Amino acid sequence: GQNIDQPTEMTATEGAIVQINCTYQTSGFNGLFWYQQHAGEAPTFLSYNVLDGLEEKGRFSSFLSRSKGYSYLLLKELQMKDSASYLCAVRDGDYKLSFGAGTTVTVRA
Amino acid sequence: GAVVSQHPSRVICKSGTSVKIECRSLDFQATTMFWYRQFPKQSLMLMATSNEGSKATYEQGVEKDKFLINHASLTLSTLTVTSAHPEDSSFYICSARDSGGLYEQYFGPGTRLTVT
Repeated sequence: GQNIDQPTEMTATEGAIVQINCTYQTSGFNGLFWYQQHAGEAPTFLSYNVLDGLEEKGRFSSFLSRSKGYSYLLLKELQMKDSASYLCAVRDGDYKLSFGAGTTVTVRA
Repeated sequence: GAVVSQHPSRVICKSGTSVKIECRSLDFQATTMFWYRQFPKQSLMLMATSNEGSKATYEQGVEKDKFLINHASLTLSTLTVTSAHPEDSSFYICSARDSGGLYEQYFGPGTRLTVT
C-alpha cells in the first residue's frame, strides 16, 4: 500500500520561505513529484526527483532522500499567487501516482 | 508544452442518467491515461488506468461497471459515469503520459460533475 504524509496547512508572509515536508512509505518507488493546485483547477507540475539530492528550479526547489522516505518542497520569495495546495505524489513502477492529501499554503501580505 | 483537454468542464445531470467525459492529448500520443477523482478538500484518488487498445485497470473499490472507460485511440480516453447518483458528484481529472516522454504525466483541466 501507499502512505504519503504531508502537513495539512502552512501560513507564511509574502517574501518569506516555506518548506513543505513529505514522508512516504510505498510499495515500489519510481520518482517523487510535487504539484501545485489552485482551487477548482487541475494540478500543475512543479518538480520531479528520482535520485537523492536537491533539484532547483527558480524559486522552487525539491529535495529527496530515498533511504529516509523523505522529500521537501522549498518555496522562496513567496508571492501572493503562491497561495495554493501543494501535492506530494509518489510514482510506482507502473507509472501510477499516489498523492498525499495536500498542503494548503496561505501567503499573507 | 504538452496539453491535455477535458470536455465538458462542468456538467449537471439528474440522478439515474449517464455522463460521458472526454480526455484528449492534443499534441502528443498517450498510450496510457489515468482517471482521478477529487472530493472537496481532499487529494486526488486514482480510479483507473486506461491503456490504448486494451481494458482499463481499476483501483480497488472502484466499480468498473459504473465507471466505464474506453481508450480507443492514442489521443482519446473517455470516462462514462453510468446511472449517476448525488454521491458521484466530484471533480474528475484525467492525465496522460507522453509515450515518447521521460517521466511526466500531464493533467487535464478537470470536469466538475454535479448530480442532482
